[in-house]
Amino acid sequence: GDSVTQKQGQVTLSEDDFLFINCTYSTTTYPTLFWYVQYPGQGPQLLLKVTTANNKGISRGFEATYDKGTTSFHLQKASVQESDSAVYFCALVFPGGNYKPTFGKGTSLVVHP
Amino acid sequence: EAAVTQSPRSKVAVTGGKVTLSCHQTNNHDYMYWYRQDTGHGLRLIHYSYVADSTEKGDIPDGYKASRPSQENFSLILELASLSQTAVYFCASSDERFEQYFGPGTRLTVL
Repeated sequence: GDSVTQKQGQVTLSEDDFLFINCTYSTTTYPTLFWYVQYPGQGPQLLLKVTTANNKGISRGFEATYDKGTTSFHLQKASVQESDSAVYFCALVFPGGNYKPTFGKGTSLVVHP
Repeated sequence: EAAVTQSPRSKVAVTGGKVTLSCHQTNNHDYMYWYRQDTGHGLRLIHYSYVADSTEKGDIPDGYKASRPSQENFSLILELASLSQTAVYFCASSDERFEQYFGPGTRLTVL
């Protein structure tokens, strides 16, 4: 069945380091992909959306890319700041399905000054 | 600005008691969702709805019921609360683009 895997449970970086988070999916169709960010004590908020039409999204210095060949999608940022410390979730909605979104387990990013 | 509100923001319940969590959105969205969040499990979908008066089971519906009496309101009902249902619960809404807007969450503790 359709599924998404987000293996990196925690990533620890220093300010100005490069961030790369990866999710893989299993599906027979091309999904619409999302990245959400959750700050402590808050609900998740949408960070980026990537569709099969654009293959890439950019927001707040973050970039998401979609690799249909390897059925994976990535979130990256060239230079992280301490304020980027949060939990990042990938999520998918599979077209032609029952509108049920699927979330990865989340990656906790800790950025040290 | 999209707005999803949840009530109560925190709740302590006794085992076997009934708990109702409420969600209200002013986004004019057709889709609404209920998730629970536990450490190490991310967000898990309990129930969702894409039209008023209709609900669908998510990935972990056992022990939960949902009600969508109007486009704006979506409730999650625990008829017989159990210790294992202690968690943070999030409601969200979206339109047909599936960009979800989340509420601030309800922290439920079952004793």
